[in-house]
Amino acid sequence: GQQLNQSPQSMFIQEGEDVSMNCTSSSIFNTWLWYKQDPGEGPVLLIALYKAGELTSNGRLTAQFGITRKDSFLNISASIPSDVGIYFCAGQGNSGTYKYIFGTGTRLKVLA
Amino acid sequence: DAGVTQSPTHLIKTRGQHVTLRCSPISGHKSVSWYQQVLGQGPQFIFQYYEKEERGRGNFPDRFSARQFPNYSSELNVNALLLGDSALYLCASSPDRVKETQYFGPGTRLLVL
Repeated sequence: GQQLNQSPQSMFIQEGEDVSMNCTSSSIFNTWLWYKQDPGEGPVLLIALYKAGELTSNGRLTAQFGITRKDSFLNISASIPSDVGIYFCAGQGNSGTYKYIFGTGTRLKVLA
Repeated sequence: DAGVTQSPTHLIKTRGQHVTLRCSPISGHKSVSWYQQVLGQGPQFIFQYYEKEERGRGNFPDRFSARQFPNYSSELNVNALLLGDSALYLCASSPDRVKETQYFGPGTRLLVL
């Protein structure tokens, strides 16, 4: 099935470091969502973006809707052990449905 | 307020059987979407229902069907199960607003033997 390109695929970082990940698409999107998923659980919504160029924060998390509307970025500042998990981006186009296309995921591991 | 709920949490079936998964959206949400998540991948869109009507369908065979009830809860049905149907099935609900943010339930893990 169709998936968005997310990078990096996985990363190991030290506690306290900042993290950056991004998501790219060949199509233009009207909405970008960022989720975190722990093993065996459903994705939890972190940040929603609705406008090109929009920059939104949620605590230590900051996400941006790319100007081209084909990409989005998520930054995590001062990472802590509970940031471990898989981060997914999801984009919604202009198809008239609420269909979201998800990224391939970025697996984050934090070393204490 | 309760979030999205799904039942059952886990299910084991054998090939050829049929399965029904259930979802209750967040109170006040009228839209329900179903996704399949195979291990190691992101969720794949199966269906979207709004006000009891199908509004979108992903690239899944006709063995997959769904419906939405007057109380906005939903069922996903899969017939003639295959080994490849083993996955986490996720339900997401959205409010009836312009900005359609989706909130996911915990999922139903289906294992087909």
